[in-house]
Amino acid sequence: DQQVKQNSPSLSVQEGRISILNCDYTNSMFDYFLWYKKYPAEGPTFLISISSIKDKNEDGRFTVFLNKSAKHLSLHIVPSQPGDSAVYFCAASKGGGNKLTFGTGTQLKVEL
Amino acid sequence: DVKVTQSSRYLVKRTGEKVFLECVQDMDHENMFWYRQDPGLGLRLIYFSYDVKMKEKGDIPEGYSVSREKKERFSLILESASTNQTSMYLCASSKVVPDTQYFGPGTRLTVL
Repeated sequence: DQQVKQNSPSLSVQEGRISILNCDYTNSMFDYFLWYKKYPAEGPTFLISISSIKDKNEDGRFTVFLNKSAKHLSLHIVPSQPGDSAVYFCAASKGGGNKLTFGTGTQLKVEL
Repeated sequence: DVKVTQSSRYLVKRTGEKVFLECVQDMDHENMFWYRQDPGLGLRLIYFSYDVKMKEKGDIPEGYSVSREKKERFSLILESASTNQTSMYLCASSKVVPDTQYFGPGTRLTVL
């Protein structure tokens, strides 16, 4: 039962353009969402998060949007850079709990 | 700078062997986690611990056990390794909830 889904296993974008990574969830109890980035042979690193009381959070080139009614969140990267090429995981937690449920990941490739 | 270290980057073991994976964090975090990452499945939580000597099962605890004798150290134990436990194992830690989890570099375990 995949409660957090990333339906696009890969995405290719040109340098300078916008990258949009999508994530859907099924559990309405989730109230805190995070995005992680993972390079090969390294552990995931935290990128940005959003609480369910907000619908947008921005940090530099990265913006996360949350649509609670659609149970959908997205990560926008503008402008995309070659160093952004990595696997991106969305994750969710509920009730202020410790446990994160991760999606399956999207491999982003930013081409010159 | 936050630091989570894992005892080995690569490990090769034989079926039936007992395997210990060690994780140490230097951030005085209460919470520690063990995940495995497999292609197409994302990160799946095996066990987590919110305090010394405390543990809780995650989504896929079968075939694994854990030990947390000291706050900074969380061990994952494969009592009798099997080939389906070949995977990337990731340790993480966090302070309070909800909060960012910080990951180690991972251990690539191969069971022959």
